[in-house]
Amino acid sequence: AQSVAQPEDQVNVAEGNPLTVKCTYSVSGNPYLFWYVQYPNRGLQFLLKYITGDNLVKGSYGFEAEFNKSQTSFHLKKPSALVSDSALYFCAVRDYEDSSYKLIFGSGTRLLVRP
Amino acid sequence: DTGVSQDPRHKITKRGQNVTFRCDPISEHNRLYWYRQTLGQGPEFLTYFQNEAQLEKSRLLSDRFSAERPKGSFSTLEIQRTEQGDSAMYLCASSLGGLAGNEQYFGPGTRLTVT
Repeated sequence: AQSVAQPEDQVNVAEGNPLTVKCTYSVSGNPYLFWYVQYPNRGLQFLLKYITGDNLVKGSYGFEAEFNKSQTSFHLKKPSALVSDSALYFCAVRDYEDSSYKLIFGSGTRLLVRP
Repeated sequence: DTGVSQDPRHKITKRGQNVTFRCDPISEHNRLYWYRQTLGQGPEFLTYFQNEAQLEKSRLLSDRFSAERPKGSFSTLEIQRTEQGDSAMYLCASSLGGLAGNEQYFGPGTRLTVT
């Protein structure tokens, strides 16, 4: 069965510092991996995805994520955090070999960037 | 903005009543998904359409739930005889057909409160 773990409920970082939001996954085949961000009373916004190719993928708003197959991880990173990055972040996975197109989400990590 | 739209944004209903939600996907997207999100959790998959065909339903989708996408465009999700446990945010998403790794784009959601 597919699953996603986001081990931190909340990540606190000072503005200007680098940030990392952790995600590990479990699938039986090869994964498609996604990061989404959710602002209060809003739907999820797509940030970036890993399908194949380079392990480091770049996305919106200066975010990037590194796929590590041996550690089954897909951590979200940003070199310099902004207060406006404060939001709820979700990692999601889809098994390449699963004919369903559904995404399996983690429980989310709240990012708080303090001025 | 030609993103995914959902109506209504909020719905308060009494237990036992029926409710219906509407989702309008991005116009060129032929895949449409419904998810449910409760407080503090990531979205959970409910069902998936490719064009007008409903191809997968989660075990979360009890007999009281029904979804349609009659002409392969907008979709409706109906909950009959609502229960307090149905209170949640109902999210709709759409994606392009073709490539399996295409990301899903989410609407703002419909927040259901059952009293």
